[in-house]
Amino acid sequence: QKEVEQNSGPLSVPEGAIASLNCTYSDRGSQSFFWYRQYSGKSPELIMFIYSNGDKEDGRFTAQLNKASQYVSLLIRDSQPSDSATYLCAVNLGSSNTGKLIFGQGTTLQVKP
Amino acid sequence: GAGVSQSPSNKVTEKGKDVELRCDPISGHTALYWYRQSLGQGLEFLIYFQGNSAPDKSGLPSDRFSAERTGGSVSTLTIQRTQQEDSAVYLCASSFAGQNTGELFFGEGSRLTVL
Repeated sequence: QKEVEQNSGPLSVPEGAIASLNCTYSDRGSQSFFWYRQYSGKSPELIMFIYSNGDKEDGRFTAQLNKASQYVSLLIRDSQPSDSATYLCAVNLGSSNTGKLIFGQGTTLQVKP
Repeated sequence: GAGVSQSPSNKVTEKGKDVELRCDPISGHTALYWYRQSLGQGLEFLIYFQGNSAPDKSGLPSDRFSAERTGGSVSTLTIQRTQQEDSAVYLCASSFAGQNTGELFFGEGSRLTVL
């Protein structure tokens, strides 16, 4: 079993819709969870992080964490074609507070005009 | 520039040759990481430097891989006797000391192709 799992997609949504990206992780001791966005041919950039159960909102993005279910998700409201990218879920193993992250394979999002 | 700088951006080499990849982190960042990304794969942690502490080498896939960081700044990743499975994009990232957010600032990567 992979430590961080994501559906590779592609996930296709129409412009203006809500895109829902999901991620599961295997290490129950994980404390920190991150979503990185990677445009084709570019390097990843951090868009959200979440530590506590529940929702965290930042503009059109909402991260959701459920530690009991070992599940973290990213919602993108009012999706735009510029949101088309690969979204990488990443987790700190255990109680690590470093950038030593375990990444999922990423979900490719396509937002169609 | 203000970002993480990596060189070369592209490297094509023959199987069995040694390669060196360089990373210049953001000024003031004391933590430096190397990851690699193979085609269609997620990022794979290789090695982590934090200040003057011993590096965390737990992600290096074999003893053909090594890295050093001189003067707490520039880092070099060396791959000896390259193999075709080493072909990947090697990404360097840096962050502030003690930062808990896992916010890594990535360079544009060095694409390695082993023929």
